[in-house]
Amino acid sequence: DSGVTQTPKHLITATGQRVTLRCSPRSGDLSVYWYQQSLDQGLQFLIQYYNGEERAKGNILERFSAQQFPDLHSELNLSSLELGDSALYFCASSVVIQGAMTEAFFGQGTRLTVV
Amino acid sequence: QQPVQSPQAVILREGEDAVINCSSSKALYSVHWYRQKHGEAPVFLMILLKGGEQKGHDKISASFNEKKQQSSLYLTASQLSYSGTYFCGTEIEAGTASKLTFGTGTRLQVTL
Repeated sequence: DSGVTQTPKHLITATGQRVTLRCSPRSGDLSVYWYQQSLDQGLQFLIQYYNGEERAKGNILERFSAQQFPDLHSELNLSSLELGDSALYFCASSVVIQGAMTEAFFGQGTRLTVV
Repeated sequence: QQPVQSPQAVILREGEDAVINCSSSKALYSVHWYRQKHGEAPVFLMILLKGGEQKGHDKISASFNEKKQQSSLYLTASQLSYSGTYFCGTEIEAGTASKLTFGTGTRLQVTL
């Protein structure tokens, strides 16, 4: 158990819909990262939050947005869903020391299927 | 920019050795290595920082050549439990916007 909790584990929804994925980081970790992993593909970085502020953005679509709340949990919102958005979405958290990432702990992921 | 990993896939017999390489076109601050088993979350193996270093635990070790912006992961006397996909993740610089960019992965299968 990594200490990172993601809900829900599975999500099936129709094209055009909107969903929210939730992540609770490890206790004490201020930094949260979202990654997208399509079938048998690598991990694509989406976005990073640190203590409530957006710090880094990857190839995140405009239809996607995220936020980190005062209690440090984070939500990833995906809207106007398309079939190609079907993927495993991972959240990870880490301690950042002197601006550098330490070990990243990954949640078990949310498997999104768009039909 | 995404680091390049090689090979893409490798099949080993138990007890054999393997090397997985990771290279970047940008100057790196750190290289992370993770292993992901099918259907599971990636699990941290080790971090190497710029300055050129080697690390290892048990029969898995890694090196980081800062001049070449390359890292290699060494798996010796492989075990069935080593099977999975190995990802290197690179961090370009330490700063407020720390993030890991992962390579495309190397699929390792260890057989009897």
